Amino acid sequence: AQTVTQSQPEMSVQEAETVTLSCTYDTSENNYYLFWYKQPPSRQMILVIRQEAYKQQNATENRFSVNFQKAAKSFSLKISDSQLGDTAMYFCAFRRVGGTSYGKLTFGQGTILTVHP
Amino acid sequence: DAGVTQSPTHLIKTRGQQVTLRCSPKSGHDTVSWYQQALGQGPQFIFQYYEEEERQRGNFPDRFSGHQFPNYSSELNVNALLLGDSALYLCASSLSYGYTFGSGTRLTVV
Repeated sequence: AQTVTQSQPEMSVQEAETVTLSCTYDTSENNYYLFWYKQPPSRQMILVIRQEAYKQQNATENRFSVNFQKAAKSFSLKISDSQLGDTAMYFCAFRRVGGTSYGKLTFGQGTILTVHP
Repeated sequence: DAGVTQSPTHLIKTRGQQVTLRCSPKSGHDTVSWYQQALGQGPQFIFQYYEEEERQRGNFPDRFSGHQFPNYSSELNVNALLLGDSALYLCASSLSYGYTFGSGTRLTVV
């Protein structure tokens, strides 16, 4: 079974600064996807960024980038130039590729990020 | 292009009652998954439906059941409600590896 751990229950950052959210995971799989989702007070889970395990290059989406360390099973999210609208709960998630767990997302406990003006 | 629609948005039920939650997937998506999210926690996988069949299931009792219709919409049914079933229930539709989530149904059991 896969597990995902987010060790930072809460983080805060000043507007325009950079913040990094941590995530570690445990799996015996070699091929999988990792995700960061954002959940604002509206409750809808919004995809921030996705990483395929077979790709060594770290994924980047505008102000969001990841540091994927496959051997260490670490997947951190860096938010640059933080904006007030980034305030939300952030979840790290894991998904196998194929197999009997096809399509199932395993989530971490979440990190509440607050961006201060 | 409509996203995932869930109804109702809020619901209050009494212990022992039964509840049905509904989900309409994003246009073009054929797979629907349901998650339970307790307050302040990450979502937990309940089950997934594809081609009107339950394809996989998480660690939830048989009180939790579901259905998928030919138009890919889905229902989640929970029988004999317990106080611990109070949570946000999220529906996610997908096609290949891309997921779209709805805004959830907040269920309160009193």
